[in-house]
Amino acid sequence: NAGVTQTPKFQVLKTGQSMTLQCAQDMNHNSMYWYRQDPGMGLRLIYYSASEGTTDKGEVPNGYNVSRLNKREFSLRLESAAPSQTSVYFCASGGIRGGTDTQYFGPGTRLTVL
Amino acid sequence: KQEVTQIPAALSVPEGENLVLNCSFTDSAIYNLQWFRQDPGKGLTSLLLIQSSQREQTSGRLNASLDKSSGRSTLYIAASQPGDSATYLCAVNPSGSRLTFGEGTQLTVNP
Repeated sequence: NAGVTQTPKFQVLKTGQSMTLQCAQDMNHNSMYWYRQDPGMGLRLIYYSASEGTTDKGEVPNGYNVSRLNKREFSLRLESAAPSQTSVYFCASGGIRGGTDTQYFGPGTRLTVL
Repeated sequence: KQEVTQIPAALSVPEGENLVLNCSFTDSAIYNLQWFRQDPGKGLTSLLLIQSSQREQTSGRLNASLDKSSGRSTLYIAASQPGDSATYLCAVNPSGSRLTFGEGTQLTVNP
């Protein structure tokens, strides 16, 4: 099992450019999540998908869109990147551990917007 | 709104020392609490998960406690080793599976 995979690992964009961050999981989990991690602010939830075909906003959704392509894949799109979106982005999927929900994280995408 | 605070923000200790990391949360109505480890440039790895009905969980040299009424959790690391150097994150699950994270404690264990 690869767990949760993310591509790309690193990306540099210019202000106004667009890009899509890809995430896939092979654990047959229903729920998937996108977080961003900024210094001094911990991880903040951008969007999540409780199941295939559904998506919901998290704490910081502005400037982002998501697509739950199928049960395995959950992508995050930046339509017009801004320097404030410079961050490390983590994808996670949710499954059962010890009888309760927990999340499994990918390695992250380090994005710089110039 | 649930807020999670971790103290201290950074901690440096000599190898072999026992240490405690602290996590506090503002809303005691939680589903579970989880401690994660994050190595530099890496993702998060789950260490311990405590259900709301539990008081503590142990895994090897790690012990996590939960006091819901006071809104606190601690992560105890016994006989620390240089390989324990990482950032430790506390996350509260208010219901279902949405997590609220603290900012983390950056631990350095010196040989």
